[in-house]
Amino acid sequence: GEDVEQSLFLSVREGDSSVINCTYTDSSSTYLYWYKQEPGAGLQLLTYIFSNMDMKQDQRLTVLLNKKDKHLSLRIADTQTGDSAIYFCAESGNNRLAFGKGNQVVVIP
Amino acid sequence: DTGVSQDPRHKITKRGQNVTFRCDPISEHNRLYWYRQTLGQGPEFLTYFQNEAQLEKSRLLSDRFSAERPKGSFSTLEIQRTEQGDSAMYLCASSSWGTGSSYEQYFGPGTRLTVT
Repeated sequence: GEDVEQSLFLSVREGDSSVINCTYTDSSSTYLYWYKQEPGAGLQLLTYIFSNMDMKQDQRLTVLLNKKDKHLSLRIADTQTGDSAIYFCAESGNNRLAFGKGNQVVVIP
Repeated sequence: DTGVSQDPRHKITKRGQNVTFRCDPISEHNRLYWYRQTLGQGPEFLTYFQNEAQLEKSRLLSDRFSAERPKGSFSTLEIQRTEQGDSAMYLCASSSWGTGSSYEQYFGPGTRLTVT
C-alpha cells in the first residue's frame, strides 16, 4: 500500500535554504509531488518529478529523488517569509495521490 | 481560467443532517477528484471521475457518501446523516488526463465542514 512519511516542523531564517524530506513506500509510483498549503487554503502544486529522474530544478526549488531509498527532498533556496506554509509530498501510481502528513515550515525574518 | 472552485467554503451543520458540496473544475479538465483532510493530516483520496464516470472509490467513502458528476463538468459530494467524525476539509482537484499535463492535479480552496 501507499505510505508517505514526513518530518513535522522546520524553522529557517529568511534568506537561508530550507530542506524538507519525505520517504515513501510504493515503488510503483510514477510521479512524486510537492504541494504547498497556506492556512485555510487549498493545496498549491509546486513541482513534481517523474520517477526515472534524479533531480529537477525550478527557480528556487530543487527536488532530489533517491529511488533506491524511496527518499524525496525539496530544497528551497533563499527562503522568503511567503514560503511559510505546510509542505506535503505525495506519490501517484494509479491516478490517486497519496499524501504525507506534511511539514510545517516557519520562516523567521 | 479561474482555477478549481468549491462552494460553500464553510458549512456548519447539526449531526444527522444532510449536506451537499459543489466543485467546479478547471474548464475542459476531464478528471475530477475528491479528497478529505482532517486537522494535522494530509489529504486522503475519496473518489474520482473521468468525465461523468466514477472510476474509483476509496473504502473511506461509506454508504452515507455519494458523489456525482452528471454532465462531466461540475461535481457534487453529498453526505447523508452527518456524524461528528465527518468534520473535515473536503478538497476537490481536477486534471487533464490524456494530455501533456495528465499528472498535474490542481486543487480548489476546499469546503470546511463542521458537524456539531
